[in-house]
Amino acid sequence: DGGITQSPKYLFRKEGQNVTLSCEQNLNHDAMYWYRQDPGQGLRLIYYSQIVNDFQKGDIAEGYSVSREKKESFPLTVTSAQKNPTAFYLCASSMTGWNSPLHFGNGTRLTVT
Amino acid sequence: QKEVEQNSGPLSVPEGAIASLNCTYSDRGSQSFFWYRQYSGKSPELIMFIYSNGDKEDGRFTAQLNKASQYVSLLIRDSQPSDSATYLCASTPLSGNTPLVFGKGTRLSVIA
Repeated sequence: DGGITQSPKYLFRKEGQNVTLSCEQNLNHDAMYWYRQDPGQGLRLIYYSQIVNDFQKGDIAEGYSVSREKKESFPLTVTSAQKNPTAFYLCASSMTGWNSPLHFGNGTRLTVT
Repeated sequence: QKEVEQNSGPLSVPEGAIASLNCTYSDRGSQSFFWYRQYSGKSPELIMFIYSNGDKEDGRFTAQLNKASQYVSLLIRDSQPSDSATYLCASTPLSGNTPLVFGKGTRLSVIA
Protein backbone atom coordinates (compact mmCIF):
# COMPACT_ATOMS: atom_id res chain seq x y z
CA ASP A 1 0.00 0.00 0.00
CA GLY A 2 1.21 3.48 -0.81
CA GLY A 3 1.68 5.88 2.03
CA ILE A 4 3.89 7.97 4.25
CA THR A 5 5.79 6.37 7.11
CA GLN A 6 7.04 8.37 10.04
CA SER A 7 9.20 6.82 12.67
CA PRO A 8 9.34 6.51 15.56
CA LYS A 9 5.82 7.21 16.80
CA TYR A 10 7.12 8.43 20.17
CA LEU A 11 10.57 9.85 20.84
CA PHE A 12 12.13 10.98 24.09
CA ARG A 13 15.34 12.98 24.32
CA LYS A 14 17.32 14.94 26.84
CA GLU A 15 17.70 18.66 26.40
CA GLY A 16 20.79 19.57 24.40
CA GLN A 17 20.70 16.50 22.15
CA ASN A 18 20.02 16.62 18.43
CA VAL A 19 17.39 14.19 17.21
CA THR A 20 16.38 13.09 13.71
CA LEU A 21 12.82 12.22 12.71
CA SER A 22 12.36 9.91 9.77
CA CYS A 23 9.85 10.36 6.94
CA GLU A 24 9.57 8.02 3.96
CA GLN A 25 6.94 7.99 1.20
CA ASN A 26 6.22 5.57 -1.63
CA LEU A 27 3.56 7.67 -3.34
CA ASN A 28 6.04 8.98 -5.93
CA HIS A 29 5.26 12.51 -4.78
CA ASP A 30 7.69 15.26 -5.68
CA ALA A 31 6.92 17.55 -2.75
CA MET A 32 7.41 16.83 0.95
CA TYR A 33 6.74 18.93 4.03
CA TRP A 34 7.35 19.07 7.76
CA TYR A 35 4.83 20.64 10.14
CA ARG A 36 4.82 21.12 13.86
CA GLN A 37 1.65 21.06 15.94
CA ASP A 38 1.40 22.13 19.56
CA PRO A 39 -1.58 21.25 21.80
CA GLY A 40 -4.70 23.08 20.68
CA GLN A 41 -2.83 24.79 17.88
CA GLY A 42 -2.85 24.63 14.12
CA LEU A 43 -0.14 23.36 11.81
CA ARG A 44 3.02 25.41 11.46
CA LEU A 45 5.29 24.81 8.48
CA ILE A 46 8.93 24.07 9.28
CA TYR A 47 10.50 23.14 5.92
CA TYR A 48 9.35 21.94 2.55
CA SER A 49 10.96 20.47 -0.54
CA GLN A 50 9.55 20.39 -4.04
CA ILE A 51 12.41 18.52 -5.67
CA VAL A 52 15.37 16.38 -4.69
CA ASN A 53 18.38 18.30 -3.37
CA ASP A 54 16.35 21.46 -2.83
CA PHE A 55 14.31 22.69 0.12
CA GLN A 56 12.91 25.94 1.49
CA LYS A 57 12.36 27.30 4.98
CA GLY A 58 8.85 27.55 6.27
CA ASP A 59 7.50 29.83 8.97
CA ILE A 60 9.42 28.34 11.90
CA ALA A 61 12.67 26.87 10.49
CA GLU A 62 14.98 28.13 13.24
CA GLY A 63 16.49 25.26 15.20
CA TYR A 64 15.63 22.66 12.56
CA SER A 65 17.45 21.21 9.56
CA VAL A 66 16.44 18.91 6.70
CA SER A 67 17.91 17.07 3.75
CA ARG A 68 16.38 15.72 0.53
CA GLU A 69 18.87 13.35 -1.00
CA LYS A 70 16.23 10.95 -2.28
CA LYS A 71 12.74 11.55 -3.60
CA GLU A 72 11.29 9.13 -1.06
CA SER A 73 12.94 10.53 2.05
CA PHE A 74 12.85 13.85 3.91
CA PRO A 75 14.36 13.54 7.40
CA LEU A 76 14.04 16.35 9.93
CA THR A 77 16.71 17.07 12.54
CA VAL A 78 15.66 18.93 15.65
CA THR A 79 18.80 20.60 16.92
CA SER A 80 19.70 21.76 20.41
CA ALA A 81 19.14 25.31 19.17
CA GLN A 82 15.38 24.72 19.06
CA LYS A 83 14.11 26.30 22.27
CA ASN A 84 10.84 24.41 22.67
CA PRO A 85 11.17 21.16 20.73
CA THR A 86 8.46 19.17 22.52
CA ALA A 87 5.62 18.86 19.99
CA PHE A 88 3.79 16.63 17.53
CA TYR A 89 5.66 16.54 14.20
CA LEU A 90 3.84 15.75 10.97
CA CYS A 91 5.38 14.89 7.64
CA ALA A 92 3.34 15.25 4.46
CA SER A 93 3.77 14.81 0.74
CA SER A 94 1.95 15.90 -2.39
CA MET A 95 2.19 16.05 -6.12
CA THR A 96 3.11 19.49 -7.40
CA GLY A 97 0.30 21.61 -8.78
CA TRP A 98 -2.38 23.92 -7.49
CA ASN A 99 -5.01 21.29 -6.88
CA SER A 100 -2.87 18.73 -5.09
CA PRO A 101 -3.82 17.88 -1.52
CA LEU A 102 -1.33 16.97 1.16
CA HIS A 103 -1.16 13.41 2.44
CA PHE A 104 0.05 13.11 6.02
CA GLY A 105 2.03 10.50 7.88
CA ASN A 106 0.93 9.33 11.32
CA GLY A 107 3.21 11.76 13.10
CA THR A 108 6.01 11.60 15.66
CA ARG A 109 5.44 12.87 19.17
CA LEU A 110 8.72 14.27 20.49
CA THR A 111 9.26 14.92 24.18
CA VAL A 112 12.41 16.69 25.34
CA THR A 113 13.16 16.92 29.05
CA GLN B 1 0.62 37.40 4.96
CA LYS B 2 -1.87 35.01 3.46
CA GLU B 3 -4.30 33.79 6.10
CA VAL B 4 -7.06 31.29 6.55
CA GLU B 5 -9.39 32.02 9.45
CA GLN B 6 -11.60 29.57 11.31
CA ASN B 7 -13.62 29.85 14.49
CA SER B 8 -11.80 27.64 17.01
CA GLY B 9 -15.03 26.43 18.60
CA PRO B 10 -15.96 24.17 20.14
CA LEU B 11 -19.02 23.84 17.96
CA SER B 12 -21.52 21.57 19.65
CA VAL B 13 -24.38 19.97 17.70
CA PRO B 14 -26.81 17.21 18.65
CA GLU B 15 -26.58 13.85 16.96
CA GLY B 16 -28.47 13.83 13.66
CA ALA B 17 -28.22 17.59 13.14
CA ILE B 18 -26.34 19.46 10.43
CA ALA B 19 -22.95 20.79 11.46
CA SER B 20 -21.77 23.88 9.60
CA LEU B 21 -18.07 24.72 9.64
CA ASN B 22 -16.86 27.97 8.17
CA CYS B 23 -13.61 29.34 6.82
CA THR B 24 -12.53 32.66 5.30
CA TYR B 25 -9.34 33.36 3.40
CA SER B 26 -7.42 36.53 2.65
CA ASP B 27 -5.66 35.62 -0.62
CA ARG B 28 -8.14 36.50 -3.34
CA GLY B 29 -6.02 34.52 -5.80
CA SER B 30 -6.40 31.24 -3.89
CA GLN B 31 -7.41 28.54 -6.30
CA SER B 32 -8.36 25.43 -4.37
CA PHE B 33 -9.55 24.58 -0.90
CA PHE B 34 -9.27 21.52 1.26
CA TRP B 35 -11.01 20.22 4.35
CA TYR B 36 -9.15 17.89 6.68
CA ARG B 37 -10.45 16.06 9.75
CA GLN B 38 -8.10 15.48 12.67
CA TYR B 39 -8.97 13.27 15.61
CA SER B 40 -7.22 14.01 18.88
CA GLY B 41 -3.65 12.71 18.81
CA LYS B 42 -3.88 11.65 15.17
CA SER B 43 -2.77 13.14 11.88
CA PRO B 44 -5.08 15.09 9.54
CA GLU B 45 -6.97 13.16 6.90
CA LEU B 46 -8.41 14.68 3.75
CA ILE B 47 -12.20 14.84 3.59
CA MET B 48 -12.90 16.97 0.54
CA PHE B 49 -11.48 19.54 -1.81
CA ILE B 50 -13.22 22.16 -3.94
CA TYR B 51 -12.00 24.67 -6.50
CA SER B 52 -15.13 25.85 -8.32
CA ASN B 53 -17.76 28.20 -6.97
CA GLY B 54 -20.81 26.39 -5.69
CA ASP B 55 -21.42 23.15 -3.86
CA LYS B 56 -19.69 19.80 -3.99
CA GLU B 57 -21.25 16.82 -2.27
CA ASP B 58 -19.68 13.56 -1.10
CA GLY B 59 -21.88 11.37 1.04
CA ARG B 60 -22.83 13.25 4.21
CA PHE B 61 -20.36 16.03 3.45
CA THR B 62 -20.94 19.13 1.31
CA ALA B 63 -18.26 21.72 0.62
CA GLN B 64 -19.38 25.18 -0.44
CA LEU B 65 -17.18 27.81 -2.07
CA ASN B 66 -17.92 31.48 -2.67
CA LYS B 67 -14.85 33.14 -4.18
CA ALA B 68 -16.48 36.59 -4.32
CA SER B 69 -16.93 36.51 -0.54
CA GLN B 70 -13.70 34.53 0.03
CA TYR B 71 -15.66 32.02 2.04
CA VAL B 72 -15.56 28.24 2.24
CA SER B 73 -17.77 26.01 4.33
CA LEU B 74 -18.23 22.35 5.16
CA LEU B 75 -21.63 20.94 6.00
CA ILE B 76 -21.94 17.58 7.72
CA ARG B 77 -25.43 16.13 7.52
CA ASP B 78 -26.79 13.60 10.03
CA SER B 79 -23.89 14.32 12.38
CA GLN B 80 -22.61 11.35 14.38
CA PRO B 81 -20.55 11.25 17.58
CA SER B 82 -17.75 9.78 15.44
CA ASP B 83 -17.63 13.11 13.57
CA SER B 84 -16.33 14.78 16.75
CA ALA B 85 -12.90 16.05 15.74
CA THR B 86 -11.05 19.17 14.70
CA TYR B 87 -11.68 20.28 11.12
CA LEU B 88 -8.91 22.11 9.30
CA CYS B 89 -9.48 24.33 6.29
CA ALA B 90 -6.59 24.93 3.86
CA SER B 91 -6.13 26.92 0.67
CA THR B 92 -3.67 26.91 -2.20
CA PRO B 93 -1.95 30.28 -2.71
CA LEU B 94 -2.15 32.02 -6.10
CA SER B 95 1.27 30.78 -7.21
CA GLY B 96 0.25 27.17 -6.77
CA ASN B 97 3.85 26.23 -6.07
CA THR B 98 3.96 27.14 -2.40
CA PRO B 99 2.52 25.07 0.43
CA LEU B 100 -1.08 25.07 1.49
CA VAL B 101 -2.08 27.70 4.03
CA PHE B 102 -3.91 26.09 6.95
CA GLY B 103 -6.41 27.57 9.35
CA LYS B 104 -6.09 26.68 13.02
CA GLY B 105 -9.12 24.44 12.90
CA THR B 106 -12.60 24.25 14.40
CA ARG B 107 -13.31 21.68 17.08
CA LEU B 108 -16.64 19.93 16.52
CA SER B 109 -18.42 18.03 19.25
CA VAL B 110 -21.46 15.91 18.34
CA ILE B 111 -23.56 15.18 21.39
CA ALA B 112 -25.39 11.83 21.52
